[in-house]
Amino acid sequence: EVQLVESGGGLVQPGRSLRLSCVASGFTFHDYGMHWVRQAPGKGPEWVSGISWDSGSTGYADSVKGRFTISRDSAKKFLYLQMHSLRSEDTALYYCAKAPGGVGPSSNYFDYWGQGILVTVSS
Amino acid sequence: EIVLTQSPGTLSLSPGERATLSCRASPSVTSSYLAWYQQKPGQAPRLLIYDASSRATGIPDRFSGSGSGTDFTLTISRLEPEDFAVYYCQQYGSSPLTFGGGTNVEI
Repeated sequence: EVQLVESGGGLVQPGRSLRLSCVASGFTFHDYGMHWVRQAPGKGPEWVSGISWDSGSTGYADSVKGRFTISRDSAKKFLYLQMHSLRSEDTALYYCAKAPGGVGPSSNYFDYWGQGILVTVSS
Repeated sequence: EIVLTQSPGTLSLSPGERATLSCRASPSVTSSYLAWYQQKPGQAPRLLIYDASSRATGIPDRFSGSGSGTDFTLTISRLEPEDFAVYYCQQYGSSPLTFGGGTNVEI
């Protein structure tokens, strides 16, 4: 059974940093692309960032480009999202999501999701 | 950026009825790279349809997707009580990946 479990969220002041983690199990982690998707309270999902199976390709939403960095440790089966210069508009539930393939547009949808971790940016 | 507009915002139906949800893209979606998700309160979204018309693993055949280019449709042939939820479309043909605003299917 595929499982994705996020951690590292919480309350953080504007301008500060936070690192989210996601541990994967139930599938061959190093074969698949992975993504972060967020959802602000009462809003629809918003794609944040994605990374290919081999970390050779990454992508970011314009709203986080230059502030967030996605990475993975395939040996440990972890996905990360390093977030800097956090803003109030970054407040959301952050989901770790698995792609159905390793890389490329045909695989940039999400066949499994974690339960999400809440990040609240507020003073 | 591809903007996805879903309609209607809310669909009020009864169990057993047919639901037709629309997702319009501007500009068009490459290669029918469009997915549909279902989300219930307090849960993560669940993949229903990918490549515009392919059902994901374990999805009942009352769910079907169609369309290409700029116009896509999710149809639920006969609503079951567990189908009342919010539905989102998502395009993955170009970056940034984008979602529609959602359709709430309510009783």
